[in-house]
This record gives sequence, C-alpha cells and structure tokens, in this order.
Amino acid sequence: EDKVVQSPLSLVVHEGDTVTLNCSYEVTNFRSLLWYKQEKKAPTFLFMLTSSGIEKKSGRLSSILDKKELFSILNITATQTGDSAVYLCAVTPGGSEKLVFGKGTKLTVNP
Amino acid sequence: DVKVTQSSRYLVKRTGEKVFLECVQDMDHENMFWYRQDPGLGLRLIYFSYDVKMKEKGDIPEGYSVSREKKERFSLILESASTNQTSMYLCASSLPGGVTYEKLFFGSGTQLSVL
Repeated sequence: EDKVVQSPLSLVVHEGDTVTLNCSYEVTNFRSLLWYKQEKKAPTFLFMLTSSGIEKKSGRLSSILDKKELFSILNITATQTGDSAVYLCAVTPGGSEKLVFGKGTKLTVNP
Repeated sequence: DVKVTQSSRYLVKRTGEKVFLECVQDMDHENMFWYRQDPGLGLRLIYFSYDVKMKEKGDIPEGYSVSREKKERFSLILESASTNQTSMYLCASSLPGGVTYEKLFFGSGTQLSVL
C-alpha cells in the first residue's frame, strides 16, 4: 500500500527561526513528490520534485528529494508569521492520476 | 489564474438527507477530484474524473457518488447523509498527462456538518 508519513505533526517556532519539515514515502513506481501549503482552506502548490529535479528553491523555501532514502525535506529559513500553515506532502505513483497525501505538518510561527 | 469554486463554504444537513456539493473550474482541466480532510487523517480521495461522464473510485467511495455532465463541473453526492460524513470536502482539478497532472488546484473547501 502506498504511504506518505510526515513529521513532525506539529511544530511551534518563533519568527526568524529555521524549520525543517520531513516527508518519507513508500510508493509503487515513484513518479513525483509535491509540497502544498494550506493556510485556511485551499491548499496551494509549492514545489514538485521528480527524478529530473531533486532540488527546488523559492525565496526562503527550499526542498530536496532523496530518491535513494525515499524522503524529502522542506526548509523554511527566517520564518515569518505568514508561514503559519499546514504543510502537506504528496506523492504520485507511476501510472496513476491519484496523489497520496501525508497527514500534514502544522507549523505555527509566533511573533 | 486557475479558479476552482465550491458552491458552499459551510453546510449543515440532517441525517438521511441527500446532499449535493458542487465544484466548478474555469481552466478547461480534464481531471477533477473530490477529497475529504479530517483531523489526524489528512486528505483522502473519494472520487475522481478524467473526462466528462467518466469517474473512478478513490480510496473511500462508500456512501458517495459523483456526476460529471460538463467538463467544468464535478458534483459530489451524498445519497443519505450520515454523521460520519461530517468533514471538510475539497475539490481539485488538474491537467492530464505529462508532468503537469500532479499539480492540483484546489477549491476553498466546504465544511459539511451532518446532525
């Protein structure tokens, strides 16, 4: 059974801290791994990582994929209160239109 | 920008009622999905559709059905609502194939309470 495990489930930090969110997976014929940010209701896309793109960066956010060890991390540097959200990791099995989601990491950034 | 619109943000229904959740996307996406999101369980796929009048069961289809009569609209139907269907329901759409279909665009969600 395809599985995605995120850790920690929740995290509280102060503004300016750096955080690392973890995502490990077991999936048949891995195709891609995605990160989403969910602030209020609608998750919004952050990154997609594939065999041909194992590292992505956008501003203070960056992500890497380790296909050998079957995990990904999402780094956020110099956190701001606006980074407070649930961060979702999902993987796509090969040959499937479906994503398998983890349970998410709830990040709270205090001023 | 892609827009996925869910007709209601909050719904309160009674046990046994037939419930319709509507979702419309404006980017001509072929793929559409319905998820439910529960604390501690994450997002779980209920049904998806990759074309008009086509549907596929997801991981938890029991108690639900769907309808896709037009490309832009995907409806989730609870034939006889039960309290264990109280949840946040999220609709999403994406393009098919290639390397883009994984990039889902989500609606804002419908919080359904079944009393």
